[in-house]
Amino acid sequence: EAQVTQNPRYLITVTGKKLTVTCSQNMNHEYMSWYRQDPGLGLRQIYYSMNVEVTDKGDVPEGYKVSRKEKRNFPLILESPSPNQTSLYFCASSRQGVDYNSPLHFGNGTRLTVT
Amino acid sequence: DAKTTQPTSMDCAEGRAANLPCNHSTISGNEYVYWYRQIHSQGPQYIIHGLKNNETNEMASLIITEDRKSSTLILPHATLRDTAVYYCIVRPRRMEYGNKLVFGAGTILRVKS
Repeated sequence: EAQVTQNPRYLITVTGKKLTVTCSQNMNHEYMSWYRQDPGLGLRQIYYSMNVEVTDKGDVPEGYKVSRKEKRNFPLILESPSPNQTSLYFCASSRQGVDYNSPLHFGNGTRLTVT
Repeated sequence: DAKTTQPTSMDCAEGRAANLPCNHSTISGNEYVYWYRQIHSQGPQYIIHGLKNNETNEMASLIITEDRKSSTLILPHATLRDTAVYYCIVRPRRMEYGNKLVFGAGTILRVKS
């Protein structure tokens, strides 16, 4: 089954303790991205990657890192989490081409709480 | 990117068609209309998209007006499981900066028995 898989689904951590949220897709998609969703602010893009070893900042990249060493994986890294990063996070993927018509496929989300 | 306007919420009786409107009066000729929905904190789910012609798939139909300034998503026989937030998104055809979607507030659709 074609899917985007995120782990973990729920995560509670303390301020400053480094964590990684994993994202993997099995559709051979070039494009992957991370969004966070907060009440009243909607979904906002954090980082994206157009292919292996190519990443770029989205709208709210502060406090996050990403890497794209393999096509299928796009982990989100919080080096020193803070309470304002408490949020619902989604990973997404799609095919990529300059003039390409391709829907984004989303994972089921990771609910992160930083205390 | 063109802005979209959707009603805040709508109700629909189970088994009836749900018609969700979207205004995108500033849409340009090379922008697509995409529809997604989100069921209670799950990941947004792709429904359908179109450029200027009406489109239909197994989930829904998309009707785009001739001037492309508005569209309607139609769920032909709504069920309780279609209760969700529905997002209408206008996205550029060219993806030099990646496949970014800008989500608005969407329409809360409540399907009632």
